[in-house]
Amino acid sequence: NAGVTQTPKFRILKIGQSMTLQCTQDMNHNYMYWYRQDPGMGLKLIYYSVGAGITDKGEVPNGYNVSRSTTEDFPLRLELAAPSQTSVYFCASSYSMAGIGYTFGSGTRLTVV
Amino acid sequence: AQTVTQSQPEMSVQEAETVTLSCTYDTSESDYYLFWYKQPPSRQMILVIRQEAYKQQNATENRFSVNFQKAAKSFSLKISDSQLGDAAMYFCAYRSAITGGGNKLTFGTGTQLKVEL
Repeated sequence: NAGVTQTPKFRILKIGQSMTLQCTQDMNHNYMYWYRQDPGMGLKLIYYSVGAGITDKGEVPNGYNVSRSTTEDFPLRLELAAPSQTSVYFCASSYSMAGIGYTFGSGTRLTVV
Repeated sequence: AQTVTQSQPEMSVQEAETVTLSCTYDTSESDYYLFWYKQPPSRQMILVIRQEAYKQQNATENRFSVNFQKAAKSFSLKISDSQLGDAAMYFCAYRSAITGGGNKLTFGTGTQLKVEL
C-alpha cells in the first residue's frame, strides 16, 4: 500500500522554466490537495479537488495550475517559475469524511534560481 | 474563514518531562475537527491526534493528549514523558465538518519542539 506518492523529491528550476509535480494515491480517496510550506508560514493551500474533473483554487493559487483526470492522479503545474515559488510542496488526499484527516505525500523541495 | 494560531514558534523540553504546545483557532462553526500533526526532519507529515468538536472528552493517544476548550477556542497538545523522537515541528489544524468546499485543512504556523537530554 503506497499511500500518496510524490515525484520528484527534489528539483532545481531556473527562472522562467516550467515543470509538473506528480501526485498519485492508491487509496481511492476522492479529495486531493496541494499545499506549499514556507518557513514560519505553516502550510498554505494552493489547489484542491473533490473528484475527477473537479478542481478549485485554494489560498495561494497564482502561478500554478492543476488537473484531475482520474481519481488517482492530481498533478501540479508550475508555469514560468519564479523565486517566490521556492518552497516545499505537499500533496495530500482524504475521504470526504472530515474527521479522518489527510494522508500526506513525502513532499517535493523545489528551488527556483 | 477559519484561522489557526500557534503563538509558540519554538519550545524546549527535557527528556522524560512534560510539555504543552498551544493552539487557538477562530471559527463561527459549531461542528468541526481539530488535529495535531508532527513533522520530523524527514519532512513526512504524521497525524498525532484528532478531536471532534462535539465531543467534550479530550482525546488521548498514548503519551499524547489534548486539552480542548471549545468556548475558549483552544486546543493544546500535551506530550508526557518526552522522548528524543518527539523532536519535530508540530502543526495544529482545523477542518470544518460541513459537507462541501473540499473540507480543507487550515494549518497554524507550527511549533518547533526540541528535546534535550
